[in-house]
Amino acid sequence: SQTIHQWPATLVQPVGSPLSLECTVEGTSNPNLYWYRQAAGRGLQLLFYSVGIGQISSEVPQNLSASRPQDRQFILSSKKLLLSDSGFYLCAWRESLPTDTQYFGPGTRLTVL
Amino acid sequence: AQSVAQPEDQVNVAEGNPLTVKCTYSVSGNPYLFWYVQYPNRGLQFLLKYITGDNLVKGSYGFEAEFNKSQTSFHLKKPSALVSDSALYFCAVREGVLTGGGNKLTFGTGTQLKVEL
Repeated sequence: SQTIHQWPATLVQPVGSPLSLECTVEGTSNPNLYWYRQAAGRGLQLLFYSVGIGQISSEVPQNLSASRPQDRQFILSSKKLLLSDSGFYLCAWRESLPTDTQYFGPGTRLTVL
Repeated sequence: AQSVAQPEDQVNVAEGNPLTVKCTYSVSGNPYLFWYVQYPNRGLQFLLKYITGDNLVKGSYGFEAEFNKSQTSFHLKKPSALVSDSALYFCAVREGVLTGGGNKLTFGTGTQLKVEL
């Protein structure tokens, strides 16, 4: 069966520090991968998606970047964090067949101070 | 462009009563519709989806949803609510035709369900 991992689970970082969040998927190959941010309210904002290794599409211009160095690895990064980068970051993968459904990881809670 | 509306920020229900969480959508072609549930500080869990076929879709934990094309709605329902159903519920939509655009979902703003004794 497929599983999706995110780490770290929680992170507290000072303003101006770098960021690296990792997401890995097991039990599938060539998945579509997605990074979302959920700010303190509740709405989900799609940040990046990837349809293959090295292929990244950005949905919202911002202080973050994403990379996909391996088929089942998706990394969210920043060179210098802002206070507004605080939030709950969710990674998801899409199973094309048979369900055509996105499944989410457990999330990373990022607090920028 | 595709969009989803969840008109209620919060729904309060007594345990044992039926519950409905509303969702309406807008999409160019045939819709793929999804419901997810989120417990505090957790990722979203998939509940059910409509792609084609029977308008009444049954999902996890006794939830079901009814697709209504004329009203462009996909309301989530459960015949008898449990306190443990209290959580944040998201409706999502995408156009059914596969494109090169990553098959992106558009999510509603979420509805907080509170089930009380």
